[in-house]
Amino acid sequence: QKEVEQNSGPLSVPEGAIASLNCTYSDRGSQSFFWYRQYSGKSPELIMFIYSNGDKEDGRFTAQLNKASQYVSLLIRDSQPSDSATYLCAVRGAHGANNLFFGTGTRLTVIP
Amino acid sequence: DGGITQSPKYLFRKEGQNVTLSCEQNLNHDAMYWYRQDPGQGLRLIYYSQIVNDFQKGDIAEGYSVSREKKESFPLTVTSAQKNPTAFYLCASSPLGPRKARAFFGQGTRLTVV
Repeated sequence: QKEVEQNSGPLSVPEGAIASLNCTYSDRGSQSFFWYRQYSGKSPELIMFIYSNGDKEDGRFTAQLNKASQYVSLLIRDSQPSDSATYLCAVRGAHGANNLFFGTGTRLTVIP
Repeated sequence: DGGITQSPKYLFRKEGQNVTLSCEQNLNHDAMYWYRQDPGQGLRLIYYSQIVNDFQKGDIAEGYSVSREKKESFPLTVTSAQKNPTAFYLCASSPLGPRKARAFFGQGTRLTVV
């Protein structure tokens, strides 16, 4: 079982819709969770982090964490074509260490 | 300016050759990481280090080697034992301890076998 799993997509949504990206992780000891956005050929950039159960909102982005279900998600409201990218889920603290494990990413396309 | 620098941006390797990718950070971060990314794929962990002179294998360490002689530097050598090295290589660094410590990425090195 992989440490972090994401649906690879691709996920397509129309402009203005809500995009929902999901991630599950295997280690219950994981401490914190990150969502990165990566444009083609570029390095990942952090857009959200969360470490407590519940929702965390930042502008059009909402991260949701459910530690009991080992599930973290990212919602993008009012999706824009510029949101088209690969979204990577990352988990820290697996196996009691400080290493950072990434999922394989979900490719999102926002259709104008 | 603080940051993490990878060089070169593009690198070409001949069959059977070892090449070294550079990664330097001036963020005073304890942890450093090397990831490999293949086209259309996510990041796979090659090696990581949490302290000078110590490092751990990731998921795909075979054919790679690293060193951590200084806190600021974490070079990656792609050896001739790595049979399919063509990929995008990303170096990252992060603090240890605080739960919300984020990883900072370099701009990446694109390695091609010729």
